Amino acid sequence: LAKTTQPISMDSYEGQEVNITCSHNNIATNDYITWYQQFPSQGPRFIIQGYKTKVTNEVASLFIPADRKSSTLSLPRVSLSDTAVYYCLVVPGPDKLIFGTGTRLQVFP
Amino acid sequence: DTGVSQDPRHKITKRGQNVTFRCDPISEHNRLYWYRQTLGQGPEFLTYFQNEAQLEKSRLLSDRFSAERPKGSFSTLEIQRTEQGDSAMYLCASSTWDRGHNEQFFGPGTRLTVL
Repeated sequence: LAKTTQPISMDSYEGQEVNITCSHNNIATNDYITWYQQFPSQGPRFIIQGYKTKVTNEVASLFIPADRKSSTLSLPRVSLSDTAVYYCLVVPGPDKLIFGTGTRLQVFP
Repeated sequence: DTGVSQDPRHKITKRGQNVTFRCDPISEHNRLYWYRQTLGQGPEFLTYFQNEAQLEKSRLLSDRFSAERPKGSFSTLEIQRTEQGDSAMYLCASSTWDRGHNEQFFGPGTRLTVL
């Protein structure tokens, strides 16, 4: 399974755009890039998934370059409630999830 | 609320006791996963079921751990002879099998404290 590397922590202020980059140099052809969000004392929550180029939903955008060796989760205009841990995963379809330690995002007022 | 429920939410036990946790997945989901999470770490995969069949078990799942999903609906995770190192959050997740889509719905977890 492809290993992912992402920053341990990030700080932002309310209203700013936050971009979290994840590297996955040995991603396989059939791997999908998936992001989960986790609040304290809760289970992780699916945010977005993509294979290539750009994916956007009501919560976030995911940018994937042509070589797919990295990806960037973009959160527009964050609020205090976006303070959470964000996990980047690469998974070959419906399968067990292998989580790293994630990126701890702290949003300040 | 994701639709996945876990019971109990908290469990405190003494070392050496047996504990059992229950997970009720979203009813139409045929896949059910168990994960364990310790403080500051991401969840670690333990095992998963497709319907009633247990398809994979992690090396983390020692012989003190057993999981069942007897009718392909709810699942139980039992830990025998608990150790202090078993203290963690135990998470259950469910999903459908959909090629190319891997959204799992997680429950709130059961926090186990072994004294």
